[in-house]
Amino acid sequence: SQKIEQNSEALNIQEGKTATLTCNYTNYSPAYLQWYRQDPGRGPVFLLLIRENEKEKRKERLKVTFDTTLKQSLFHITASQPADSATYLCALSNSGYALNFGKGTSLLVTP
Amino acid sequence: NAGVTQTPKFRVLKTGQSMTLLCAQDMNHEYMYWYRQDPGMGLRLIHYSVGEGTTAKGEVPDGYNVSRLKKQNFLLGLESAAPSQTSVYFCASSHSGVESEAFFGQGTRLTVV
Repeated sequence: SQKIEQNSEALNIQEGKTATLTCNYTNYSPAYLQWYRQDPGRGPVFLLLIRENEKEKRKERLKVTFDTTLKQSLFHITASQPADSATYLCALSNSGYALNFGKGTSLLVTP
Repeated sequence: NAGVTQTPKFRVLKTGQSMTLLCAQDMNHEYMYWYRQDPGMGLRLIHYSVGEGTTAKGEVPDGYNVSRLKKQNFLLGLESAAPSQTSVYFCASSHSGVESEAFFGQGTRLTVV
């Protein structure tokens, strides 16, 4: 069966450190992979999209890698801040039409 | 810019009642989606549409129906609500499917008692 697995345990890090979140997938061959942020009581907000032929993508303090051999994406937040505390969702698809989401990883950045 | 607007934001239904959730987007997007989010389950796709007049089933379509009569609107119907449909429902839209970012509404919290 198809699976999108993200760390179920919350990630607690200190302000200023780099947070690294993992997304592993099974039985998908995605051409695109996306990352979203979700705050409590709000809808997900898009962060980054990476294509299968891109190894790495950066946006300000965010970096995403995409390894189609390992079937894994890593999401990094450098110089993390308390405002980065949220749940981060990985999303991908086989169909090209609609995204399937992982369950998300909760990140807590403490001062 | 309104983006994606969901109506209502909250609703309590009795088992067996019916209701329709409305999603409206003002970005001229072709693709629209309905997801439900439950604790420990993540976002699960209910139905989606790739254009006006089209609909397709997602991962968990049972108990729901949808319609896309106008490009800007995507309706989600519950014909006979069940407690298992208690959830937070999110609508989303995108310009070109998984090749572009999805914009989400603020969610509808539905409780079926």
